[in-house]
Amino acid sequence: GAVVSQHPSWVICKSGTSVKIECRSLDFQATTMFWYRQFPKQSLMLMATSNEGSKATYEQGVEKDKFLINHASLTLSTLTVTSAHPEDSSFYICSAISSGRADEQFFGPGTRLTVL
Amino acid sequence: QKEVEQDPGPLSVPEGAIVSLNCTYSNSAFQYFMWYRQYSRKGPELLMYTYSSGNKEDGRFTAQVDKSSKYISLFIRDSQPSDSATYLCAMSGQAGTALIFGKGTTLSVSS
Repeated sequence: GAVVSQHPSWVICKSGTSVKIECRSLDFQATTMFWYRQFPKQSLMLMATSNEGSKATYEQGVEKDKFLINHASLTLSTLTVTSAHPEDSSFYICSAISSGRADEQFFGPGTRLTVL
Repeated sequence: QKEVEQDPGPLSVPEGAIVSLNCTYSNSAFQYFMWYRQYSRKGPELLMYTYSSGNKEDGRFTAQVDKSSKYISLFIRDSQPSDSATYLCAMSGQAGTALIFGKGTTLSVSS
């Protein structure tokens, strides 16, 4: 149980285009999802916290107009990177917390974004 | 000072060795401590979870938390080549909040 999926697993896009990444909790309801970013040989850094039915909370330095987050249901959150640039190339990982077990966080497999 | 410090390694050991991985932290409010394993280009996989201080054992893995020293450890007994991965410590102050991660330690176990 407690499986989180992400789609796509990798994506290559041209500079200036937008990319949408989906995060789904497959077998549980997630009231809260988190979006992290990981650059090579670096740790996971929190980008934003996404709560179902409300606006996402962004960390300092993360542009909310560039990284659009939508948590439309208890099993789906999406991250849209708008007008992507090469410096946005990174590994994007989501995690989800079950409404029944708030102390454990389950991570998706990640999405590798390369912007040319 | 970063909130969570972790030596990135790399750490290379022979098969069967005991591995010790450590993190220090500065925020005394942290109560939840986790160890994740991450293979290259994959998402983190939860290995061990500890609340507050103490030890926890699961098979070949033992997690220790010393809140007085703000120091956590993960021990791997009888290490195997399949244990080769990056190990991330993570912690938070409250259940249901985002995790603060260490940089990760890259472990290589040779057969």
